[in-house]
Amino acid sequence: KNQVEQSPQSLIILEGKNCTLQCNYTVSPFSNLRWYKQDTGRGPVSLTIMTFSENTKSNGRYTATLDADTKQSSLHITASQLSDSASYICVVSALGSASKIIFGSGTRLSIRP
Amino acid sequence: GAGVSQSPSNKVTEKGKDVELRCDPISGHTALYWYRQSLGQGLEFLIYFQGNSAPDKSGLPSDRFSAERTGGSVSTLTIQRTQQEDSAVYLCASSLASREDTIYFGEGSWLTVV
Repeated sequence: KNQVEQSPQSLIILEGKNCTLQCNYTVSPFSNLRWYKQDTGRGPVSLTIMTFSENTKSNGRYTATLDADTKQSSLHITASQLSDSASYICVVSALGSASKIIFGSGTRLSIRP
Repeated sequence: GAGVSQSPSNKVTEKGKDVELRCDPISGHTALYWYRQSLGQGLEFLIYFQGNSAPDKSGLPSDRFSAERTGGSVSTLTIQRTQQEDSAVYLCASSLASREDTIYFGEGSWLTVV
């Protein structure tokens, strides 16, 4: 069964600190993996997209890694800011129909001043 | 347009009424997706359009749900005889050609069935 699991479910850190969010998946055959940021009450916004051959991709203070062998991805946020408070969603696409885009339940990140 | 536009942004309807939700994708995007997100939950796939055709309707939860897309652009999601469990945010997204491209989301239509 194609699944995407994220951890932790929620996380609270102090402003300026770093954090890492985890995503494990069992989607097969794998096509790509994306990380999205979703502010409360808003639509998700794309942060990174990685294919099988890519191990890491950065977008400003966000760095995503992908280990296709262990089927794990992480999103590292450096020097967190209050505006980073949001849900971070891991999305994995499988080859096949469009329904093979599987969303994780997200990690709710709260940054405290 | 500059982004994916959805309307209405908020809709409160009485149980049993029909509702229509509209999505205007980014100009030139041939792929269009509808998702549903209940409060505090993840996104649930509903339907996918490639141009005007819907090769994947597997996510529609019941026959009360239908969607169409005309002119390869605007899409309408219709929910007939709404039920309270239909209350959710309905998100539309589009991409240039396929799911290999970046998927851009609209801000969603918040539906409340009372």
